[in-house]
Amino acid sequence: DTEVTQTPKHLVMGMTNKKSLKCEQHMGHRAMYWYKQKAKKPPELMFVYSYEKLSINESVPSRFSPECPNSSLLNLHLHALQPEDSALYLCASSQVAGRGYGYTFGSGTRLTVV
Amino acid sequence: GQQVMQIPQYQHVQEGEDFTTYCNSSTTLSNIQWYKQRPGGHPVFLIQLVKSGEVKKQKRLTFQFGEAKKNSSLHITATQTTDVGTYFCAGPVGSGGSNYKLTFGKGTLLTVNP
Repeated sequence: DTEVTQTPKHLVMGMTNKKSLKCEQHMGHRAMYWYKQKAKKPPELMFVYSYEKLSINESVPSRFSPECPNSSLLNLHLHALQPEDSALYLCASSQVAGRGYGYTFGSGTRLTVV
Repeated sequence: GQQVMQIPQYQHVQEGEDFTTYCNSSTTLSNIQWYKQRPGGHPVFLIQLVKSGEVKKQKRLTFQFGEAKKNSSLHITATQTTDVGTYFCAGPVGSGGSNYKLTFGKGTLLTVNP
């Protein structure tokens, strides 16, 4: 299995809702990432998990809360989002964190905040 | 912070013409990666370059890493409509290991007229 699976593919949520994005990989990768991508822009790093521990938080607002329950799963919990948070949220994984490893991206969750 | 600059932002070609996108960094890069993102899709890892002056080929795609490891290019020979998409270079920020961050250039959107 050489895929990163993200669910849901699309999500519309209100500003008072709580929702979660899910990401799963079975490649034995020990680094997982959340990226945010706005239209016609490059992916922007949000969080890095290395061996199930949060190693990098790119000053992301607390309304985004990541969780890594085990080495195969990565969640992103969303609460009280703003319309400007609407974007494509991409999960990625690599063998380990660090130089030398290409990232495998999931197909993303397209989030709309209304 | 350290950034990878990428040009051009857009490139429109006739099918069969060649295409090149360039990435430049103000500092030496330990490595550089290239990704392709089809319209409506997610980034897909193409290749990683590590050595000074390295040249790698994948069919019609040729990737180069500069001698000073501050620039890189992707050249496509005889473009096809299947080459349409945004090509991103991505370089490392951080000291390595769990502090390593992959930062994407702004990308070059390639469109091909059949």
